Amino acid sequence: AQSVTQPDIHITVSEGASLELRCNYSYGATPYLFWYVQSPGQGLQLLLKYFSGDTLVQGIKGFEAEFKRSQSSFNLRKPSVHWSDAAEYFCAVGPSNDYKLSFGAGTTVTVRA
Amino acid sequence: GAVVSQHPSWVICKSGTSVKIECRSLDFQATTMFWYRQFPKQSLMLMATSNEGSKATYEQGVEKDKFLINHASLTLSTLTVTSAHPEDSSFYICSARDPQTAGAYNEQFFGPGTRLTVL
Repeated sequence: AQSVTQPDIHITVSEGASLELRCNYSYGATPYLFWYVQSPGQGLQLLLKYFSGDTLVQGIKGFEAEFKRSQSSFNLRKPSVHWSDAAEYFCAVGPSNDYKLSFGAGTTVTVRA
Repeated sequence: GAVVSQHPSWVICKSGTSVKIECRSLDFQATTMFWYRQFPKQSLMLMATSNEGSKATYEQGVEKDKFLINHASLTLSTLTVTSAHPEDSSFYICSARDPQTAGAYNEQFFGPGTRLTVL
């Protein structure tokens, strides 16, 4: 069975500072990996995804993530955070032979001025 | 990207009544849709997989008689919460898989969610 762990429940970062959100997964083979962002009361928006190839993935809104097979990680980064980045971030994993996604518990990002 | 809508965006109902939530893929045909439930400050829990023209597949622990899912067309899936009770209050989110999206085997597009409050 696949599972996703997001170790950080809540992160507070200053506007303009860098941000890194951690994601570790458990899966027997190479999974498909996703990062989603959810603003309060809204649905999920896909930031980026990794299926194969280059392990450094660029996404929307200036986000990037790096797949590290040896560490079973897919951490999300942004060099300079904007106040509008305050939201809930979810890492998700899906097997290559199914469409079901498993989500991590989420990380709440607060941006202070 | 593909757009998925949900209706209503929020609903308040009395205990014991039934509520129907619609999920539509607006610019693509979705053979598979998914229904999730999200409690406050928690992650999304998959409730069921909805396949067009066939019965939905429910996850373990989800009452199929409680949460009726119908996927009658390639653009519409509905979730009916029957005999709703306060513990059914939650944020319900649907997603749809676009089979025409090249190289995106698992990509799902999410609706904006429906907030259900049962009094």
